Amino acid sequence: EVQLVQSAAVVKKPGESLRISCKGSGYSFTGYWIGWVRQMPGKGLEWMGIIYPGDSDTTYSPSFQGQVTISADMSISTAYLQWSSLKASDSAKYYCARLPPYGSGHTWFDSWGEGTLVTVSS
Amino acid sequence: DIVMTQSPEFLAVSLGERATINCKSSQSVLYSSNNKNYLAWYQQKPGQPPKLLIYWASTRESGVPDRFSGSGSGTDFTLTISSLQAEDVAVYHCQQYYSSITFGQGTRLEIK
Repeated sequence: EVQLVQSAAVVKKPGESLRISCKGSGYSFTGYWIGWVRQMPGKGLEWMGIIYPGDSDTTYSPSFQGQVTISADMSISTAYLQWSSLKASDSAKYYCARLPPYGSGHTWFDSWGEGTLVTVSS
Repeated sequence: DIVMTQSPEFLAVSLGERATINCKSSQSVLYSSNNKNYLAWYQQKPGQPPKLLIYWASTRESGVPDRFSGSGSGTDFTLTISSLQAEDVAVYHCQQYYSSITFGQGTRLEIK
């Protein structure tokens, strides 16, 4: 069974750094892209970027380029999303999701994690 | 960026009736070399992550009930639930993957 297990909810202060994680199991982690999707409270889904853990090839949405860093450690089947300096507007639920390996990785999301709720508040 | 616009924003349908959700892309998502439409549909129930229903505009994901179907081509697409069940109450999202990735704003489906 494909599983993506995300790190627990977190509360941070503005200006702090953060890294959240997504551990894949039940499939070949290096053979599929992993994407990150933001969902702000009561809002729709926003694609942030994708990474191919096999070679760390990464593509960012223009809206999130320079705002976050996506990485992966294939030795522990884990992808990461990190911020160097959080803002209150980063408060949202963040999902990781798997993408089938077609072309450049821009495909559909066939399996999702449960999401990590990030709250940024002073 | 390709902008995806869903309609309606809210939809209320009686149990057993047909529900129809529309998704329009700002440019065609039909790739002429393989004649495939680069569009997916998701269902998101309250407090849950999205769940893939449909990809390639009309291919149902394994395990998805056959009351869910996708249709359309080019810029206009439809998700149809042929006979609404109580468990279908959710927000439905469309997504294009023709050029980068973008989602529609979502359609909330409720029971009338």
